Amino acid sequence: GQQVMQIPQYQHVQEGEDFTTYCNSSTTLSNIQWYKQRPGGHPVFLIQLVKSGEVKKQKRLTFQFGEAKKNSSLHITATQTTDVGTYFCAGPHGSGNTGKLIFGQGTTLQVKP
Amino acid sequence: DAGITQSPRHKVTETGTPVTLRCHQTENHRYMYWYRQDPGHGLRLIHYSYGVKDTDKGEVSDGYSVSRSKTEDFLLTLESATSSQTSVYFCATHGPLSGNTIYFGEGSWLTVV
Repeated sequence: GQQVMQIPQYQHVQEGEDFTTYCNSSTTLSNIQWYKQRPGGHPVFLIQLVKSGEVKKQKRLTFQFGEAKKNSSLHITATQTTDVGTYFCAGPHGSGNTGKLIFGQGTTLQVKP
Repeated sequence: DAGITQSPRHKVTETGTPVTLRCHQTENHRYMYWYRQDPGHGLRLIHYSYGVKDTDKGEVSDGYSVSRSKTEDFLLTLESATSSQTSVYFCATHGPLSGNTIYFGEGSWLTVV
């Protein structure tokens, strides 16, 4: 069945270092979304990418959608302690705009001050 | 964030007892979902609903049932709780104006002893 894989599962960085998480889908996706979950919190939508090769930036966060629309990445430049949390990628499950998403396993980021 | 309320937020129950988790939304969103979150597995879809009395199974539906008698309420029932159902449960919603984004409730922490 359809799968979305995310690596690494955990990442510990020193504050100020960069961080990247990678997401790979077994199928071509119409779009990919990224969510952030703070410790003890709930996932919160960050961004959606739709176009092949799309790159979007949010301050220190850079999101990319692969040319084949099967992979994506999130890069954080100069991490801060406020970046701590788990980052999930998610793609539509099947077809149609039902909101059903299949999530990657998430990458948990720890930042040492 | 969408107005999504989950109850109870925390519960400890004994093996073999039935448990019902409630999700209430004030956004009049058509689609509602129940996910469970476990370490190493990310978020997995249990059941979802397209509307009142219109529900379907997700990828991990065994041992769970749902009901949606009103647009705003989506109930998840563990018919006979087992220790493997110890998890964090998230309700989520999706509406016509939210694009492909889904909005999560704050989660319900369930421990089965």
